[in-house]
Amino acid sequence: AQSVTQLGSHVSVSEGALVLLRCNYSSSVPPYLFWYVQYPNQGLQLLLKYTSAATLVKGINGFEAEFKKSETSFHLTKPSAHMSDAAEYFCAVRVYGGSQGNLIFGKGTKLSVKP
Amino acid sequence: DSGVTQTPKHLITATGQRVTLRCSPRSGDLSVYWYQQSLDQGLQFLIHYYNGEERAKGNILERFSAQQFPDLHSELNLSSLELGDSALYFCASSEGGDSGENEQFFGPGTRLTVL
Repeated sequence: AQSVTQLGSHVSVSEGALVLLRCNYSSSVPPYLFWYVQYPNQGLQLLLKYTSAATLVKGINGFEAEFKKSETSFHLTKPSAHMSDAAEYFCAVRVYGGSQGNLIFGKGTKLSVKP
Repeated sequence: DSGVTQTPKHLITATGQRVTLRCSPRSGDLSVYWYQQSLDQGLQFLIHYYNGEERAKGNILERFSAQQFPDLHSELNLSSLELGDSALYFCASSEGGDSGENEQFFGPGTRLTVL
């Protein structure tokens, strides 16, 4: 069975600092991994996805994530935080095969950006 | 705007009542997924429909049911409501059924408050 663990429910960075949000996964099959962002009172928006084409995945808004099989990790990074990055971020693994297709989400990490 | 619409945006009701949440997927998407987001449980998969047929069930209570109609819109029915059912309910749509790569596009959600 697949699962996702996000380390740190809250992360605070200063504007211009590196953003690092951690995600570890567990999967018995090659995983499809996703990062979603949720702004207050809004739905989830896809930031980026890993589908085995390349281990370093670039997404929207300057975010990227690196798939590391040996570490079962898919951490999200952004070199320089912006105030508009303040939101909640969810890592997810896709269940697939048979009739499955749903996402399993981590508990989320709330990112605060200080001026 | 993801192209997925959900109505109503907010719903306030009393314990023991029944409500219906509606979702219209993106044009051309055959799959609809329902998720529940609550403070204690996080984002949890409820049920998946593909082209009118139920494909998978997650942590969905027996008091909850769903269906997908021939025009592909979906409804989630919640009955005998309890205080603990208060949550944000999201629907997501994707092109295919269980392909791991397909992105799921999320609607803005319906916030249910049970008093």
